[in-house]
Amino acid sequence: DAKTTQPPSMDCAEGRAANLPCNHSTISGNEYVYWYRQIHSQGPQYIIHGLKNNETNEMASLIITEDRKSSTLILPHATLRDTAVYYCIVRYTGANSKLTFGKGITLSVRP
Amino acid sequence: GAVVSQHPSWVICKSGTSVKIECRSLDFQATTMFWYRQFPKQSLMLMATSNEGSKATYEQGVEKDKFLINHASLTLSTLTVTSAHPEDSSFYICSALTSGGAKDTQYFGPGTRLTVL
Repeated sequence: DAKTTQPPSMDCAEGRAANLPCNHSTISGNEYVYWYRQIHSQGPQYIIHGLKNNETNEMASLIITEDRKSSTLILPHATLRDTAVYYCIVRYTGANSKLTFGKGITLSVRP
Repeated sequence: GAVVSQHPSWVICKSGTSVKIECRSLDFQATTMFWYRQFPKQSLMLMATSNEGSKATYEQGVEKDKFLINHASLTLSTLTVTSAHPEDSSFYICSALTSGGAKDTQYFGPGTRLTVL
């Protein structure tokens, strides 16, 4: 699987948008970009995934650049409960395709 | 989203005993489930891929005779840590894969914290 790089940490103010960047310059044409988050001492939570078009759901928006070499996860109105480690992972679909977790980015939402 | 449960949520056992952890997909069927381990302040590490009705596939360095995986139904996979030792103390997390081409997604359980004394 292609690797991703994320800054180690960032913070944002409660109520503001949190924009989490991810680089995946070696992504191949049929690999998807997945985002998960892990709140301390819990299992990871699926957030969103996409191939090349921007995606939006009730949790977040995913913006993928046209060349697909980078993406941004946007939490439109961050709350204190959004404080977590966020993982950006690229993966093929299919049962034999694994999720490989890197170090992720620690998002701290401040009051 | 789909719901995955794990039982127990935590367990403390004596060195040398075996511990079984259950992973269930509650509202969907999962042909494929995964088992991960996470040590403090580290990321998740994949241990094995479990396919219903067949033998699990273990990652390099994971002892298959120590970590027994059974995936006997489309909603249940179990991980048994045999002859547990203190170095096996960790946070064990399972995930279940929904099927559906571009929509396929792994959903994770809440994790099981194992402490071996």
